Amino acid sequence: AQSVTQLDSQVPVFEEAPVELRCNYSSSVSVYLFWYVQYPNQGLQLLLKYLSGSTLVKGINGFEAEFNKSQTSFHLRKPSVHISDTAEYFCAVSAPNDYKLSFGAGTTVTVRA
Amino acid sequence: DSGVTQTPKHLITATGQRVTLRCSPRSGDLSVYWYQQSLDQGLQFLIQYYNGEERAKGNILERFSAQQFPDLHSELNLSSLELGDSALYFCASSVGIEETQYFGPGTRLLVL
Repeated sequence: AQSVTQLDSQVPVFEEAPVELRCNYSSSVSVYLFWYVQYPNQGLQLLLKYLSGSTLVKGINGFEAEFNKSQTSFHLRKPSVHISDTAEYFCAVSAPNDYKLSFGAGTTVTVRA
Repeated sequence: DSGVTQTPKHLITATGQRVTLRCSPRSGDLSVYWYQQSLDQGLQFLIQYYNGEERAKGNILERFSAQQFPDLHSELNLSSLELGDSALYFCASSVGIEETQYFGPGTRLLVL
């Protein structure tokens, strides 16, 4: 089985500052990794995914993440955040032949002016 | 808009009652997944259907059941409801079995 640990439950950040959200995973097999965002009172929106290939993955809204197999990490970054990036961010993992997503506990990002 | 629709958006009911949540996947998607999001348990996978057949089960209670119909929409049935079943229930769909999942807006269930 796979599992995910999001290392920060809350991340306050000022507008136009960079942000990094940390995610570590545990799995005995190869994995697929995802970041989803949940805006207040909304559903989950896919930000980006790693299935294979290049370890640097670019997503929507200026986000990117890097898959690091040796450190079993998939950290999410954005070089300059906006007020509209205030949301909860979820890291998730699945694996070949185990299609369900296992989610981390989420990281709440609050962007202040 | 992911293309996944869920009805109703909100549902308020009493303990002991039974409710049905409905999900229509994106056009062309054959897989449907159900997830529960609660404050104490976070986001948890409940069950997956692929082209009408159950493919995987997660932490789904025996009081809960689901099915996927020939037109590929899915229903999640929750019975003998308890206060602890209050949560946001998400449906997701994907083209096949290993494809990326796209989530609907969710149904917020409140059990009083």
